[in-house]
Amino acid sequence: DADVTQTPRNRITKTGKRIMLECSQTKGHDRMYWYRQDPGLGLRLIYYSFDVKDINKGEISDGYSVSRQAQAKFSLSLESAIPNQTALYFCATSEPGTGIGEQFFGPGTRLTVL
Amino acid sequence: DQQVKQNSPSLSVQEGRISILNCDYTNSMFDYFLWYKKYPAEGPTFLISISSIKDKNEDGRFTVFLNKSAKHLSLHIVPSQPGDSAVYFCAAKNQGAQKLVFGQGTRLTINP
Repeated sequence: DADVTQTPRNRITKTGKRIMLECSQTKGHDRMYWYRQDPGLGLRLIYYSFDVKDINKGEISDGYSVSRQAQAKFSLSLESAIPNQTALYFCATSEPGTGIGEQFFGPGTRLTVL
Repeated sequence: DQQVKQNSPSLSVQEGRISILNCDYTNSMFDYFLWYKKYPAEGPTFLISISSIKDKNEDGRFTVFLNKSAKHLSLHIVPSQPGDSAVYFCAAKNQGAQKLVFGQGTRLTINP
């Protein structure tokens, strides 16, 4: 079984709709992250959470919100989707500490906003 | 402000030859550098890392070199195999922020 799972894997929605992307992990990590990948721009951090009570904005948080329901669950919401939010979205987890900071990624959600 | 840059969007290499992927950075506070590999329809997976206090780290066919004075690192794959065809992301960890900053990615294609 995958350690980091994302649902849905693919989603097509219309402009103005609210949509939620979900992430679950069985790695027991406290830290969770949401990224989006766009061609030519790499992976950009949207939000991150270092524990259940800690939520932080990343470099591109406008238009997004998150919820950390439990250590294992971290959801990303688009309150009113717009076409330029069409992208690949990845959830990731990591252990706390001052090591290399390796993050473990889910398989991604491909979101299309029409 | 792109703190981590991969200036080559794509690279094509013949099977058996060496692949060299490059990455430049601007922030001297980065303490670790990581390379991730990504296949289509999958999430990125960790490949190899290097501490800022080292200049080389090797793991099988993969070697990462770090030149701190030039703020440059490179990933060498030798010999290149068809299964190495993927997108490679360079990432750096800020000593204080405990977050990763990713480059734009380089698509590597290994030709038979």
